[in-house]
Amino acid sequence: NAGVMQNPRHLVRRRGQEARLRCSPMKGHSHVYWYRQLPEEGLKFMVYLQKENIIDESGMPKERFSAEFPKEGPSILRIQQVVRGDSAAYFCASSPPERVTYEQYFGPGTRLTVT
Amino acid sequence: AQTVTQSQPEMSVQEAETVTLSCTYDTSESDYYLFWYKQPPSRQMILVIRQEAYKQQNATENRFSVNFQKAAKSFSLKISDSQLGDAAMYFCAYRRDDKIIFGKGTRLHILP
Repeated sequence: NAGVMQNPRHLVRRRGQEARLRCSPMKGHSHVYWYRQLPEEGLKFMVYLQKENIIDESGMPKERFSAEFPKEGPSILRIQQVVRGDSAAYFCASSPPERVTYEQYFGPGTRLTVT
Repeated sequence: AQTVTQSQPEMSVQEAETVTLSCTYDTSESDYYLFWYKQPPSRQMILVIRQEAYKQQNATENRFSVNFQKAAKSFSLKISDSQLGDAAMYFCAYRRDDKIIFGKGTRLHILP
């Protein structure tokens, strides 16, 4: 059973460009979470999605950031007009519908560098 | 609001010795989950151990154990017989509902 997949692992964007980060949850998992990790910091919650629904986006910046989890395909975190402060590691996690253990399984992360 | 505090930014331990990483949290809830995650240089987040708040018994996973003090809102991690592969950032985390809140981490160095 493959784990949570994220791609790309590394992404370099110039200021003003768009960044698209992809996350494929573990097989059978229908809940996806995005977290951001700034250098020397812990992970900070951004958004929680189920298929075709945003459940909690309380951690998302109000502008330039959006997330989706379509019926088919991976979840996408999109950052428009990136700025240097967006440079960070972005982690995706998934959990199964029953969430018995309340455990989230993390992907390897995407490191975004804005030049 | 829930917060998680790790007061030790860095710690070192001699190989084969025991080390304890501290964590305190703040919540008004009675039902929640606590975790310790390990993040090696690869940056992959690895779950080390999990504790359900309603369980009084401290969780144990091989060389890793916790000291969960619910009234004190304390959740420390003990690593016994430390190994070089234990060197990593360790994050204490709290979960209720669908959000995990992480502490800032403790960087653990293992001295050969």
